[in-house]
Amino acid sequence: DVVMSQSPLSLPVTLGQPASISCRSSQSLVHSDGNTYLHWFQQRPGQSPRRLIYGVSNRDSGVPDRFSGSGSGADFTLKISRVEAEDIGVYYCMQETHWPFTFGPGTKVDI
Amino acid sequence: EVHLVESGGGLVQPGGSLRLSCAASGFTFNSYWMRWIRQAPGRGLEWVANIKEDGSQKYYLGSVKGRFTVSRDNAKNSLYLQMNSLRADDTAIYYCVSGRRGSSWDHWGQGTLVTVSS
Repeated sequence: DVVMSQSPLSLPVTLGQPASISCRSSQSLVHSDGNTYLHWFQQRPGQSPRRLIYGVSNRDSGVPDRFSGSGSGADFTLKISRVEAEDIGVYYCMQETHWPFTFGPGTKVDI
Repeated sequence: EVHLVESGGGLVQPGGSLRLSCAASGFTFNSYWMRWIRQAPGRGLEWVANIKEDGSQKYYLGSVKGRFTVSRDNAKNSLYLQMNSLRADDTAIYYCVSGRRGSSWDHWGQGTLVTVSS
């Protein structure tokens, strides 16, 4: 199985400041169709997860443009340009290239 | 508006069975793969099973293969997860998810809690 790792696991942030989360996979996430199916999810306290980014860098509908994703191969990054209070929660990367699809351990973002 | 509503969770003894259901509305159910994803209390996310639009292909997490069965009834816009031989480590919130990996489509239910304990 593909192992996903994230760093840091805990990220204290300051409102209005940028934040960044790293995600690495144990093997390349490039699919045989040429796409890289690396996604980012946000889970606010007490809520179901919500996908923010799909395919490395594509924002899902309704996701603020302060969220951006980048990376390639096995090394990826989620960036928040200016943290807002509603961004507090746990962020997970997930690969949907190799079955079984796997999630990272999560990064807790808190003030 | 897309709605996914899970039901069927509860407390069950080790070795017991449960059947989870997910009622879908607000979208063309038979046009999407469906997933079950779970989250143990205070823990991370784990993909449990996938089923193709017409039910012809199914994929399972290794630890549930042979014990869990995913199915769907497109006429009823419903997704199911039959869980047998339940173990303590199956305790989790089970989410019903409709998503596409290559496009902006990803919707989650509120989840249903399964607790396996004697």
